[in-house]
Amino acid sequence: AQKVTQAQTEISVVEKEDVTLDCVYETRDTTYYLFWYKQPPSGELVFLIRRNSFDEQNEISGRYSWNFQKSTSSFNFTITASQVVDSAVYFCALSETFYNQGGKLIFGQGTELSVKP
Amino acid sequence: EPEVTQTPSHQVTQMGQEVILRCVPISNHLYFYWYRQILGQKVEFLVSFYNNEISEKSEIFDDQFSVERPDGSNFTLKIRSTKLEDSAMYFCASSPFLAGITDTQYFGPGTRLTVL
Repeated sequence: AQKVTQAQTEISVVEKEDVTLDCVYETRDTTYYLFWYKQPPSGELVFLIRRNSFDEQNEISGRYSWNFQKSTSSFNFTITASQVVDSAVYFCALSETFYNQGGKLIFGQGTELSVKP
Repeated sequence: EPEVTQTPSHQVTQMGQEVILRCVPISNHLYFYWYRQILGQKVEFLVSFYNNEISEKSEIFDDQFSVERPDGSNFTLKIRSTKLEDSAMYFCASSPFLAGITDTQYFGPGTRLTVL
């Protein structure tokens, strides 16, 4: 069965600290997509990254970086030098369909990140 | 930059009433979705829609729910007889359909439904 687990419910850091949000997934498929979305206090869901199961290269975008490890079924998200504007709920999500019609997203429970000045 | 829009932003209704939530997906996208998020919980898939028919639906999407693309731009979710437990944020999303590959879903700002 497909499942996404974000074990950290809440994380609180002080500005400029680095923080890593964990995501572990379960799937029987060999081809799948993984995503991270950000939900700021205003409530919308903002797409951050998409990674397919064939590409295990780590990715960096500014202060954000992602570490994908198939061996441990993990797709962790690190924010370097956190800022108050990073405060939000972050969701990891899995989509099992690949060479097929648009697959549903299976979301984790989310991690609420609070960055204090 | 094109974005998904949803109306209304907040809908309050009485239990047993019908509601229609509206979405305008990104114009060149072909796949449309509805998700819901009960307050403080995770986002849950309701239904996907492609080529004027339901592609997949979850257990939540029972006979009280229906979706429609009434014209070339709108995508609607109807709840026939609302229950208290339907109170949630409802998100619409859309994605392109590029050579059969699942692509990123872009979400609208959501409609908060409150059932009294």
